Order: sequence, then structure tokens, then C-alpha cells
Amino acid sequence: GNSVTQMEGPVTLSEEAFLTINCTYTATGYPSLFWYVQYPGEGLQLLLKATKADDKGSNKGFEATYRKETTSFHLEKGSVQVSDSAVYFCALSSGSRLTFGEGTQLTVNP
Amino acid sequence: GAGVSQSPSNKVTEKGKDVELRCDPISGHTALYWYRQRLGQGLEFLIYFQGNSAPDKSGLPSDRFSAERTGESVSTLTIQRTQQEDSAVYLCASSSRTGGRTDTQYFGPGTRLTVL
Repeated sequence: GNSVTQMEGPVTLSEEAFLTINCTYTATGYPSLFWYVQYPGEGLQLLLKATKADDKGSNKGFEATYRKETTSFHLEKGSVQVSDSAVYFCALSSGSRLTFGEGTQLTVNP
Repeated sequence: GAGVSQSPSNKVTEKGKDVELRCDPISGHTALYWYRQRLGQGLEFLIYFQGNSAPDKSGLPSDRFSAERTGESVSTLTIQRTQQEDSAVYLCASSSRTGGRTDTQYFGPGTRLTVL
């Protein structure tokens, strides 16, 4: 079956630090890959997505590249801000449902 | 436009009672999904509705769980004889197309269920 493995958290960084949150997946076929973000007290929001190999999703300074050869979709940001503090979820879709990783809590300190 | 809405936002119930959770998808979205998020964990798929097709119920954890959807609008998730392990945030999502792999699912704020 499908599965997503995310870097364990929590992750604590200082403002302007570089962020990487690792995500690897196992899936049949050709899944689409997603990063969702859950800010404190808010609902789950799509951050970015990629639907085929070598696609790069980007939004709000975050990027992730769909790497089929390594079955990975790592999330990166060059300079994090305090407002990026949230829980980040990697997910895949090979059909009608999303399969999520367990989430990575990120805290950015000023 | 309006996003996915869910009610109630919080529900506290006693073990053994039935609860009903409601989801209003984004207008025009044909696909609707329910997920469960236990504390500190990722989301688990529960059920998927697409138009008039038979729902995909493969994620429902037991026969105490059921869900209905009226056409392409409101959905209700019912949990009968609630147990403490049912405590979680129940999230609803909708998408505009046919539930294909490239579709973006838009999530509601969730219903936090606490079973005492």
C-alpha cells in the first residue's frame, strides 16, 4: 500500500535559518505529492504540490521537487520566519484519497 | 468564496452516546472526503464521496461509523456508541473534479470530538 514517511520533529530554528523537512514515500503508480501546513488554531492548508516526476512546487518561499529516483519530496525554505511556525504534512495521492505523513512541528524563534 | 465549513467545532460526549458531525463542502465541488486526525498523528482517510457513485468506505474503522451525503452538498458523519478511542479531530475536505490524483483537496477547520 501507499505510505509517507516524514522527518521526525519537533524542529526548532532561529529566524532566517535554512529549513529542510525530509519526506519519502512508497506508492504504486504515479502519485501526486503535496505539502500541507497547519498553522496554530487554523485548518489544514495546501502549501504546494507536484504532479509528476521532476516537477517543482513552490509557494511563499517554500519549494519541493518530486524525485522519482529517490521517492522523495523534501520541503525547503532558504530563510524561515517566525510566522512559518506550524505543523507541516507531506502527503501523496494515487487516486481518490490522500495518504499523509505524521507531520513535523516547526518552531521558529526570533 | 466560502470554504469548507464544519459543525460543531467542538463536541464533548459520553462514552456510548451517538454523535453526528456535519460538513458543508465548497459550492460546486463534486468530491467530498472525511479524515480523522488523532492527537500528534497524521490524517487517516475514512470515506470518499463522488457524485452519485457508491462511496469508498474502505477507511471506516468499524461498523459504528457511517456517513451520508445528499447529492453534491452536505455530508454527515455519524459515530454510534462512541468509545474513548474515537476522540480525535474529524476533518472534511472537498475537491472540484473527479477525485483524481492531481486534485487539490480543500479542508475544513475540523470538529474536535472528545469522548469522556
